[in-house]
Amino acid sequence: QQPVQSPQAVILREGEDAVINCSSSKALYSVHWYRQKHGEAPVFLMILLKGGEQKGHEKISASFNEKKQQSSLYLTASQLSYSGTYFCGTEGDNFGNEKLTFGTGTRLTIIP
Amino acid sequence: EPEVTQTPSHQVTQMGQEVILRCVPISNHLYFYWYRQILGQKVEFLVSFYNNEISEKSEIFDDQFSVERPDGSNFTLKIRSTKLEDSAMYFCASSRGYGYTFGSGTRLTVV
Repeated sequence: QQPVQSPQAVILREGEDAVINCSSSKALYSVHWYRQKHGEAPVFLMILLKGGEQKGHEKISASFNEKKQQSSLYLTASQLSYSGTYFCGTEGDNFGNEKLTFGTGTRLTIIP
Repeated sequence: EPEVTQTPSHQVTQMGQEVILRCVPISNHLYFYWYRQILGQKVEFLVSFYNNEISEKSEIFDDQFSVERPDGSNFTLKIRSTKLEDSAMYFCASSRGYGYTFGSGTRLTVV
């Protein structure tokens, strides 16, 4: 039931773009994206809700395909500060304080 | 910016001992959670708490675990008799409905 993320790891040069994918086996109400730096807590980036509503940061965008139960996170013109492990968190199609189930994680390394 | 505060940051305990991990969620948040992360691995759900009661718990959250919100601000996770496999980073999170704010975590080491 854990969402599967791809790729597992990616190394980019500063300024390059990245796409991180998250795929679930069950119907979703929302998808969250978090970034975790080594030894720190996950930090909320963005939420995508069923129906297309979107919240989050300006320089990082995401899409949510409800039918395919997939979400993608787009990082454009990556900066060194983008390095970390990215987790998607999915909420099932039963809104009302449902827990997040976190994905397998994608380790992103940005090099100068 | 409001934050979730967790104490202690690191706790070492002997197997079989009880530990209490403490969290102060963001004051106007309504939903509270405990997650744990074994080093380098996935973030695992333990329990969610809403309206002063547990709303959902995972298989990990067995009878050795309990949560309380004793005074309307603190949110605690108690492990009654710790096992070696309880060693992990424990994160508290709170939410108003959109996005979780995580605390900085408590690293629990059971020896």
